[in-house]
Amino acid sequence: NAGVTQTPKFQVLKTGQSMTLQCAQDMNHNSMYWYRQDPGMGLRLIYYSASEGTTDKGEVPNGYNVSRLNKREFSLRLESAAPSQTSVYFCASRQSTNEKLFFGSGTQLSVL
Amino acid sequence: LAKTTQPISMDSYEGQEVNITCSHNNIATNDYITWYQQFPSQGPRFIIQGYKTKVTNEVASLFIPADRKSSTLSLPRVSLSDTAVYYCLVGVTSGTYKYIFGTGTRLKVLA
Repeated sequence: NAGVTQTPKFQVLKTGQSMTLQCAQDMNHNSMYWYRQDPGMGLRLIYYSASEGTTDKGEVPNGYNVSRLNKREFSLRLESAAPSQTSVYFCASRQSTNEKLFFGSGTQLSVL
Repeated sequence: LAKTTQPISMDSYEGQEVNITCSHNNIATNDYITWYQQFPSQGPRFIIQGYKTKVTNEVASLFIPADRKSSTLSLPRVSLSDTAVYYCLVGVTSGTYKYIFGTGTRLKVLA
């Protein structure tokens, strides 16, 4: 049981480049989330998907887009990366029966 | 949304009991209180969850007073490996799924 899998684990981009962070869960969870965590700081919600086919903005959605491809997969896209988007990105999924979140191991992104 | 307030940091010594309190004055009737632990370079992981009174598992205890406006995570006999950031998260009532984390409490366990 892999849980929540994120790819890639590390990525370096140049300013203006685009990329997609992938997230997949195998726990049949309905809700999925993308958070970012800057060094020494807490988690900030970027986007979330309450269920397949729906997405909503979180605290810091500017500069990002998301796609809930199916129940398992929730991707995060940076269309034109900026140095301010240098961060660790965590994907999470939520168990429907309670409010327990399961997190992936994160993607460390550097934008030069 | 139920905002949470926690101490920014705490220090403790090995073998001591550590209590971390979270304030959530605007908690809604249906909200659960959930605590997460995060080690450096890892995603947060679930520690314990409760709705009222006391909950205990193999890792921690969670104390929730009758008014539910605060909660206390209790870690018995901490060790160096308990050094981490601890987050209190209060869920929103049904209809939204917007889980906002607070600043967390950075616990440092000293030898």
